[in-house]
Amino acid sequence: GAVVSQHPSRVICKSGTSVKIECRSLDFQATTMFWYRQFPKQSLMLMATSNEGSKATYEQGVEKDKFLINHASLTLSTLTVTSAHPEDSSFYICSALYPGMNEQYFGPGTRLTVT
Amino acid sequence: KQEVTQIPAALSVPEGENLVLNCSFTDSAIYNLQWFRQDPGKGLTSLLLIQSSQREQTSGRLNASLDKSSGRSTLYIAASQPGDSATYLCAAGRGGGADGLTFGKGTHLIIQP
Repeated sequence: GAVVSQHPSRVICKSGTSVKIECRSLDFQATTMFWYRQFPKQSLMLMATSNEGSKATYEQGVEKDKFLINHASLTLSTLTVTSAHPEDSSFYICSALYPGMNEQYFGPGTRLTVT
Repeated sequence: KQEVTQIPAALSVPEGENLVLNCSFTDSAIYNLQWFRQDPGKGLTSLLLIQSSQREQTSGRLNASLDKSSGRSTLYIAASQPGDSATYLCAAGRGGGADGLTFGKGTHLIIQP
């Protein structure tokens, strides 16, 4: 089956620093990947759509200058949280769109804690 | 804007019972409807995907139905087991299928041994 990995699984950073999260499709090429965020006891919310070789599309209310997305290859998308603040602490999950099937496969998620 | 609602928010039943989880969505123009399982602190496990042209999908003890006209989907779990305890998420596919998913808040299910 299609496998998507994320790294790191957990990260703790200090307020004001930046942190990068990687999302990889391991056994298929994904021109489109998605980034979601989940706050405690809340639903997953789509943050942005990442397209290989082009700019990401951000959902309303998501700051594109704060959450930098780079989809430089068909198997890798990165999310960089810049100048992190405690309110950015959340569970970040990526997914990759399997080509030709319009089905998303999800990574295991990254728990970000900003102190 | 699509909104997905799941009822109940939490459910606790004895082992062996059959149960139904409900999902409703406000915009019937969905591309597909997907059910996931999420264990505490973990990512998502896809359970069933129903395309907009389909009425139901089955996998083992799980059966999911879709009624686009009424904006509803149900997940039926037969002969529940303690290992079924998890949060179950319903998500509606947007646009032409290459768009993101709109998730409900989930149903937290506990199966009592």
